[in-house]
Amino acid sequence: QVQLRESGPGLVKPSETLSLTCTVSGGSISSNTLYWDWIRQSPGKGLEWIATVFYSGSKHYKSDLAGRVTISMDKSRNQFSLRLRAVTAADTAVYFCARRSVWNGELRPPDYWGRGTLVTVTS
Amino acid sequence: DIQMTQSPSTLSASVGDSVTITCRASQNIIHWLAWYQQKPGEAPKLLVYKASSLESGVPSRFSGSGSGTEFTLTVTGLQPDDFAIYSCLQYYTYPFTFGPGTKVEIK
Repeated sequence: QVQLRESGPGLVKPSETLSLTCTVSGGSISSNTLYWDWIRQSPGKGLEWIATVFYSGSKHYKSDLAGRVTISMDKSRNQFSLRLRAVTAADTAVYFCARRSVWNGELRPPDYWGRGTLVTVTS
Repeated sequence: DIQMTQSPSTLSASVGDSVTITCRASQNIIHWLAWYQQKPGEAPKLLVYKASSLESGVPSRFSGSGSGTEFTLTVTGLQPDDFAIYSCLQYYTYPFTFGPGTKVEIK
């Protein structure tokens, strides 16, 4: 059974960098049929897709975050990570990591999710 | 970026009712739309993918339809466990975008 678990600091100061890691168990992140996403949800708000990474190194980002965000993979640890620079209070959210797969040649939406981790930006 | 809207934002219903939620995309996304259910403190749960394909294990009272720019999620015969927030997601093109969500609450 695939499981994802987010980890990282729960508090980050304004202007600093938010760093989160997603540890994947029950499957390899190096598969050529899997994509790995970060998604967040601000308190009381809707879901917001942030970034995705593929085993080949291909990456895509939300347009208005592209200048501050980096997604990466550590295949040796079966983890992928998110770094968000110059955070403000608006970046306070529950951050989820998630998996997407290719099935029968078609891309599926995120189906396995971590439980989420709350990151609060505060001085 | 593709903008996703949902209506209504809140829906009050009773157990046994049938409800329909609409999701609209700002441009043609063909059928690359998913529906999620989310309860407080939990991760979203995938219900429907490719507009009308029911995810494995999801009760058949959930159904999705639509194509192009307009999509619907219908729950036929609401159960107590169905009171939650429902969100759509377009995964046709990056950046992926979610709708703002529809809260289905008990009348």
